Amino acid sequence: NAGVTQTPKFRVLKTGQSMTLLCAQDMNHEYMYWYRQDPGMGLRLIHYSVGEGTTAKGEVPDGYNVSRLKKQNFLLGLESAAPSQTSVYFCASSHRQGGTYEQYFGPGTRLTVT
Amino acid sequence: DAKTTQPNSMESNEEEPVHLPCNHSTISGTDYIHWYRQLPSQGPEYVIHGLTSNVNNRMASLAIAEDRKSSTLILHRATLRDAAVYYCILTYYGQNFVFGPGTRLSVLP
Repeated sequence: NAGVTQTPKFRVLKTGQSMTLLCAQDMNHEYMYWYRQDPGMGLRLIHYSVGEGTTAKGEVPDGYNVSRLKKQNFLLGLESAAPSQTSVYFCASSHRQGGTYEQYFGPGTRLTVT
Repeated sequence: DAKTTQPNSMESNEEEPVHLPCNHSTISGTDYIHWYRQLPSQGPEYVIHGLTSNVNNRMASLAIAEDRKSSTLILHRATLRDAAVYYCILTYYGQNFVFGPGTRLSVLP
């Protein structure tokens, strides 16, 4: 199994440009998440999905949109990138284990907005 | 979500045990205690979790205080590969994790 994969690994955008980050998982997990991590800080939840066709806002959703058209994919969109969105973005998926859920993370996408 | 408090950083010598503390005085009865770690330039990875009883797995042990207001992650023999940021997270059924800044563990050869 590839686990959780993210595309692309690196990207540089100009302010105002748009892009989509792709997350894919091959573990048949119901739940998927997008986080961002700024230097020296912990991860913050942007959006999450509890199943195909459903999404919900996390802690820092402004400026981002998401879609979960297929169970294995979770897309994160930036419609008009801003320098404040320069960050490392992590995708995760989770499954139920022992009464709770264990999250599996992708390798991250490093995004720079100039 | 209940908050956790961890030391910013800790140091350990290679092949010695490491005890990473976490305080969570506002934990509720349904909160699970999760530990994740993040190696340099990687995404976080699951280490261990527990609810009330102490837990062991191949990576670590989790000791939970009787009143559940604190817990300790125990690495029995630290290796250089264990140098990472360790996050203690409380979550209801494992959803909507809230990551704090964690504890940066340095392992000295």
